Amino acid sequence: DVKVTQSSRYLVKRTGEKVFLECVQDMDHENMFWYRQDPGLGLRLIYFSYDVKMKEKGDIPEGYSVSREKKERFSLILESASTNQTSMYLCASSPPQGRFVGNTQYFGPGTRLTVL
Amino acid sequence: RKEVEQDPGPFNVPEGATVAFNCTYSNSASQSFFWYRQDCRKEPKLLMSVYSSGNEDGRFTAQLNRASQYISLLIRDSKLSDSATYLCAVNGRNKLVFGAGTILRVKS
Repeated sequence: DVKVTQSSRYLVKRTGEKVFLECVQDMDHENMFWYRQDPGLGLRLIYFSYDVKMKEKGDIPEGYSVSREKKERFSLILESASTNQTSMYLCASSPPQGRFVGNTQYFGPGTRLTVL
Repeated sequence: RKEVEQDPGPFNVPEGATVAFNCTYSNSASQSFFWYRQDCRKEPKLLMSVYSSGNEDGRFTAQLNRASQYISLLIRDSKLSDSATYLCAVNGRNKLVFGAGTILRVKS
């Protein structure tokens, strides 16, 4: 079974804080993703990575950055958290298929972030 | 027009009913299609992939209509445990695009 883990299930931070969300997968997947999920808006792609040290912007990258130093780990960074970044953050990974990322994605349990 | 669209529902059905959801997509070049199930406050989990010829897994049947650019999910003999949000996913340009989900509530 694919296992994707995220560092925290619930997180509360203050406006302006730097926030790190960690994601680890154990299936040697090349591709990893960060989404946020908000009611009525569905899953929106923030960033993804198809290899170590590679990253590509998704649909809503503003206010976020990412780091992929090791194949199994993909970190999402909120440089200066704002209240509109309160959301559920979901990490996913998928099997290698070059730069084509249309393959099945496996999700972590999510981190519910509240920014006060 | 959104890349992937779903009727948000909710679909309220009695136990034992048959229910169907559709998901339309705009990119005619899409090749990969999936249905995911998401329980309240949980992560999405793959329910089934959708193949060109259609596929069935127990009470669940998925179909693809390329001409009209939609995929469908049919659930027969609904169970209380089928209550969840069902997300469709379609590959777009270098990414998987998810619909916002359809809520299903099965009632006894």
